[in-house]
Amino acid sequence: GESVGLHLPTLSVQEGDNSIINCAYSNSASDYFIWYKQESGKGPQFIIDIRSNMDKRQGQRVTVLLNKTVKHLSLQIAATQPGDSAVYFCADLRGGTSYGKLTFGQGTILTVHP
Amino acid sequence: DVKVTQSSRYLVKRTGEKVFLECVQDMDHENMFWYRQDPGLGLRLIYFSYDVKMKEKGDIPEGYSVSREKKERFSLILESASTNQTSMYLCASSTRQIGGPGVADTQYFGPGTRLTVL
Repeated sequence: GESVGLHLPTLSVQEGDNSIINCAYSNSASDYFIWYKQESGKGPQFIIDIRSNMDKRQGQRVTVLLNKTVKHLSLQIAATQPGDSAVYFCADLRGGTSYGKLTFGQGTILTVHP
Repeated sequence: DVKVTQSSRYLVKRTGEKVFLECVQDMDHENMFWYRQDPGLGLRLIYFSYDVKMKEKGDIPEGYSVSREKKERFSLILESASTNQTSMYLCASSTRQIGGPGVADTQYFGPGTRLTVL
């Protein structure tokens, strides 16, 4: 989920387990959401997105769930692998602009143990 | 595949120096963005550009300026570097959305430049 300050939320799982990473957003006008994965020393990489007219979207091993009522987003990773270890960010599109400005969450550190 | 490249992966500069960070994208994207990333603070938008020679301030523009003379290139300039500008700098690009949000709003990121100001 979201954090304030210097400490990111962390999630440690065993290889093969399912992982759930949570994110809260604040802008009720947001209508598009993205999950990014950032590995150490690299830029964020797009994982999956979802529009506000949907509540679930599935990709390869990943599922994003959107609950607009409580402004909550989650990323589910099935059969987590060591290569999934990274920082995961949610982002939402700021309303009222055509320039695609995103607001990013603080990030969650996922560690997968072999 | 979208490719966003940044001129340097690591950069060390001295206080007061003028610093140029270059970003190039090869997908003919209209929008380009500069962020800085600091531990616990996430990604913060410095400046963005939605067209050649067009720019707008983001959330933390103080101490920075930008230049976009060509569509594929967006430069971040630190006029007089200070130690509090030590950070990871990330460039991103996206297409202009048409008919509402969707794939066009996905931002694609470069690998980042880790700048240290001594």
